[in-house]
Amino acid sequence: QLQLQESGPGLVKPSETLSLTCTVSGGSISSSSYYWGWIRQPPGKGLEWIGSIYYSGSTYYNPSLKSRVTISVDTSKNQFSLKLSSVTAADTAVYYCARHMGKVTESWFDPWGQGTLVTVSS
Amino acid sequence: SYVLTQPPSVSVAPGKTARITCGGNNIGSKSVHWYQQKPGQAPVLVIYYDSDRPSGIPERFSGSNSGNTATLTISRVEAGDEADYYCQVWDSSSDNVVFGGGTKLTVL
Repeated sequence: QLQLQESGPGLVKPSETLSLTCTVSGGSISSSSYYWGWIRQPPGKGLEWIGSIYYSGSTYYNPSLKSRVTISVDTSKNQFSLKLSSVTAADTAVYYCARHMGKVTESWFDPWGQGTLVTVSS
Repeated sequence: SYVLTQPPSVSVAPGKTARITCGGNNIGSKSVHWYQQKPGQAPVLVIYYDSDRPSGIPERFSGSNSGNTATLTISRVEAGDEADYYCQVWDSSSDNVVFGGGTKLTVL
């Protein structure tokens, strides 16, 4: 059964870079059928897609975050990572990683990791 | 940018049918997916490709999509269905994943 687990600092200072890693177990991140994505949820609010990556390194980013986001993949470790630069309090959220399934233009997320809360504060 | 509109809340008595709508411009031309999120938990996919159910999701969950509205229908609602529900599409005009604002389902 495929499982995803987010890891990284729970506290980041304003203006610094948020870095998270998602470790995939129970399956290969190099599968040709899937992208791998990051989604976030501010406390008490809805879901926001951040971006997704294919094992080859091809990426899609949310246009509203694109200038600050970098997603990378390490197939040798079965991991993919998120970097979000110049963070502010508005970036405080639970960050989820998920498998991004289907044709990109018809795609959905399943399964999801348990999520990790990242707080931006000095 | 593409916008998905959901009612903030829906209430239903146990055993009745709940319908949660997701409105968007010509959403019928897109593939709509639905997620259930219980408090403190990650979202779970309950419907994909408008009306397909992942394995393990009860047949009580169904979906439809036409015109400007997609609908998630939950039949014979149980207390355990109380959760937030989100719709999601891919917006090809901006290469962007879009989520609806979410609907809180309350079981009376």
